[in-house]
Amino acid sequence: DAGVIQSPRHEVTEMGQEVTLRCKPISGHNSLFWYRQTMMRGLELLIYFNNNVPIDDSGMPEDRFSAKMPNASFSTLKIQPSEPRDSAVYFCASSRDHPGEKLFFGSGTQLSVL
Amino acid sequence: GENVEQHPSTLSVQEGDSAVIKCTYSDSASNYFPWYKQELGKRPQLIIDIRSNVGEKKDQRIAVTLNKTAKHFSLHITETQPEDSAVYFCAAGFSGYALNFGKGTSLLVTP
Repeated sequence: DAGVIQSPRHEVTEMGQEVTLRCKPISGHNSLFWYRQTMMRGLELLIYFNNNVPIDDSGMPEDRFSAKMPNASFSTLKIQPSEPRDSAVYFCASSRDHPGEKLFFGSGTQLSVL
Repeated sequence: GENVEQHPSTLSVQEGDSAVIKCTYSDSASNYFPWYKQELGKRPQLIIDIRSNVGEKKDQRIAVTLNKTAKHFSLHITETQPEDSAVYFCAAGFSGYALNFGKGTSLLVTP
């Protein structure tokens, strides 16, 4: 299995631009999570899906952030418009059976907003 | 929601010594407590987990203990090696729900 696949690995953009991060979970995993990692705040849960349905989006910072999971093998996290404070590493993770248990993380997207 | 506190934020030990990282959680209903290791520039990876019906779990040089009454759990690494150097994250939550992570402990093992 290729594991959780995220793209792009690195994204540099200017303030105000739209950013789209992509994730392909492990086949057969029915829960998908988006986390944001910064030095100051550590790993923060943004949103999680179970069977493609958003279950908890209380961690989404504000309306500029949105996430979708149109099918079991693909999810996107979109930031529009982006701001410098959005600079962070964004991880996607998936799990099977019990959401939250034995998470498999992707390699992350390093986002820099100038 | 669940609040997870992790200490220390940095830890330096000599090779061969033991390392202990401690976490506390706020929600007494939490029943699942994993630990993740993140090497520099890499993704977090699960190294060990424990459920609330177990007080201790061991896997080779790594052990985790849980005190439900006090709402704290700890990671113990014995006979540390330079390759143990990484950031370690604890997490707590309900089985079947998303986890909340501690802020991480940067462990440095010096030869």
